[in-house]
Amino acid sequence: KAGVTQTPRYLIKTRGQQVTLSCSPISGHRSVSWYQQTPGQGLQFLFEYFSETQRNKGNFPGRFSGRQFSNSRSEMNVSTLELGDSALYLCASSLVAGITDTQYFGPGTRLTVL
Amino acid sequence: KNEVEQSPQNLTAQEGEFITINCSYSVGISALHWLQQHPGGGIVSLFMLSSGKKKHGRLIATINIQEKHSSLHITASHPRDSAVYICAVKRGPDKLIFGTGTRLQVFP
Repeated sequence: KAGVTQTPRYLIKTRGQQVTLSCSPISGHRSVSWYQQTPGQGLQFLFEYFSETQRNKGNFPGRFSGRQFSNSRSEMNVSTLELGDSALYLCASSLVAGITDTQYFGPGTRLTVL
Repeated sequence: KNEVEQSPQNLTAQEGEFITINCSYSVGISALHWLQQHPGGGIVSLFMLSSGKKKHGRLIATINIQEKHSSLHITASHPRDSAVYICAVKRGPDKLIFGTGTRLQVFP
């Protein structure tokens, strides 16, 4: 089975722009979670999607949003980028909702905001 | 104070040594995850625990719910075990809270 894939792997944007990141889960997995990792804050939960519905959201501003499609692929969008949004963005997929199952992580998208 | 604390922050070991990484948490949880992150950034889920003990190869994870504490043990450590080990707790229905990680370096 193919693993979790994320595109693009690297991205450079400037302040004020918006960005869309994509995550394709393992075939058959319906839950996709998104995480932000920075040197200062470490790993932080962004949100989880299951069957096209957002189940929960972490403590991030409304500039961070996401969605999930009927094939379980997920996208996250960050609008009006700030320097502090520079981070590694990771997604993880699992069979069931609620992060009660093993999470399979993608390689991440490294976003640099200049 | 962080809700999830790991110790030590950094750990160096000689190949073959027995290693213990600790995770303490201050909130009620329904499950605890141990994750491994290699220098390239990729994360692998090692264990998910809600009670007791789990073993996979040279890795053993234990959790004591009453004491709010978990340990990850590596027996017969090897240089390829060098990575950052992260503890994460599941609090509430759908959220993971992460520890700051333990950086392990194993020298031959």
